[in-house]
Amino acid sequence: EPEVTQTPSHQVTQMGQEVILRCVPISNHLYFYWYRQILGQKVEFLVSFYNNEISEKSEIFDDQFSVERPDGSNFTLKIRSTKLEDSAMYFCASSVGMGGTEAFFGQGTRLTVV
Amino acid sequence: AQKVTQAQTEISVVEKEDVTLDCVYETRDTTYYLFWYKQPPSGELVFLIRRNSFDEQNEISGRYSWNFQKSTSSFNFTITASQVVDSAVYFCALSEAGTGNQFYFGTGTSLTVIP
Repeated sequence: EPEVTQTPSHQVTQMGQEVILRCVPISNHLYFYWYRQILGQKVEFLVSFYNNEISEKSEIFDDQFSVERPDGSNFTLKIRSTKLEDSAMYFCASSVGMGGTEAFFGQGTRLTVV
Repeated sequence: AQKVTQAQTEISVVEKEDVTLDCVYETRDTTYYLFWYKQPPSGELVFLIRRNSFDEQNEISGRYSWNFQKSTSSFNFTITASQVVDSAVYFCALSEAGTGNQFYFGTGTSLTVIP
């Protein structure tokens, strides 16, 4: 069964460093997303991406964050200068369409900023 | 304001008991979509069900059933004859047609099934 895959599963980084989280969405999906979940809290929307551009972003997704689809299969989230409060589980998701289509989530990348 | 409220933070049941997880949503859109996701201890989010605002039919899938009531803005999830493998955090989520495909998640209900 097709699935969204994320790498790495866990990343530890020093405050101020740049990190890139990687995702391979399901191959026939057209919409891609990043969500994050701070430990013990709810899952929060960061950004959605379609047709090689951001279609929607939340207040959390400030200038520190960027997304890219560098080739036909990968979808990345970059955090330019990490802060302690960026520590969270980051989920990538993809969907076939919009308008309430179910999104399929990856297993997550746990980012720890020290 | 919270768009999705899951008032039950933690629930514990003994195996084989039935359990209902509550979800109340808030939206001004007439077209919207409701979802349930399961997050087992391994951390991934597993899609369980999707409902659109025009379809109030209840749904049953094995031991799982969902009760969608627009009159009370609720989309409750019942597990019948619970099993230890059902232990997980369950999230209800809302997507509004007016805001693309952004999901608004509730705070989740942590279900523990005791053997």
